[in-house]
Amino acid sequence: GDSVTQMEGPVTLSEEAFLTINCTYTATGYPSLFWYVQYPGEGLQLLLKATKADDKGSNKGFEATYRKETTSFHLEKGSVQVSDSAVYFCALSDRGANSKLTFGKGITLSVRP
Amino acid sequence: GAVVSQHPSWVICKSGTSVKIECRSLDFQATTMFWYRQFPKQSLMLMATSNEGSKATYEQGVEKDKFLINHASLTLSTLTVTSAHPEDSSFYICSARALAASSYNEQFFGPGTRLTVL
Repeated sequence: GDSVTQMEGPVTLSEEAFLTINCTYTATGYPSLFWYVQYPGEGLQLLLKATKADDKGSNKGFEATYRKETTSFHLEKGSVQVSDSAVYFCALSDRGANSKLTFGKGITLSVRP
Repeated sequence: GAVVSQHPSWVICKSGTSVKIECRSLDFQATTMFWYRQFPKQSLMLMATSNEGSKATYEQGVEKDKFLINHASLTLSTLTVTSAHPEDSSFYICSARALAASSYNEQFFGPGTRLTVL
């Protein structure tokens, strides 16, 4: 079945540091890829998405590129802020009418002032 | 837009009792709602998919008689944990997919409900 693998956490960075969170996937079809963010005490929010190979999703300074050849969707940000502290989930969805999301384990990011 | 609410946000109950959790789409109609369970420091595990007006589809290993799901309208789905036991303690999250689904079938998530069974 489909699966998503995220790098182990937690990750602690200083403000303005560069961020990379790795995500790889296995899928039988041609999935859409997502990054979700969960701020403390809140529900998951869609951060960015990509629906086909070589697409780059971007939002709030975060970027991720759909790499079909390496089955990866790594999340990057050039300069993190304290307000980016949250849990980040990589996910994929197949394309059927009853498509479901498959999540990675999530990684906690803490940004120090 | 696209707000999903859950009620209650947390609940503590005694072993053997039943607990109902509501999931509402506040500003859109949802043909499909999903129920997830999240264990500490782990990912979200899909429990069931709920389509308005029809029976829910449960994932393998999820007891349908234990976790009753009702999707009575396009804005409301409920999850009832029947005869709850301490091992049912968890964080339950719902999501909703809009009636006019986009090409990537985006789901909007509720804030979750923390269930503690004593």
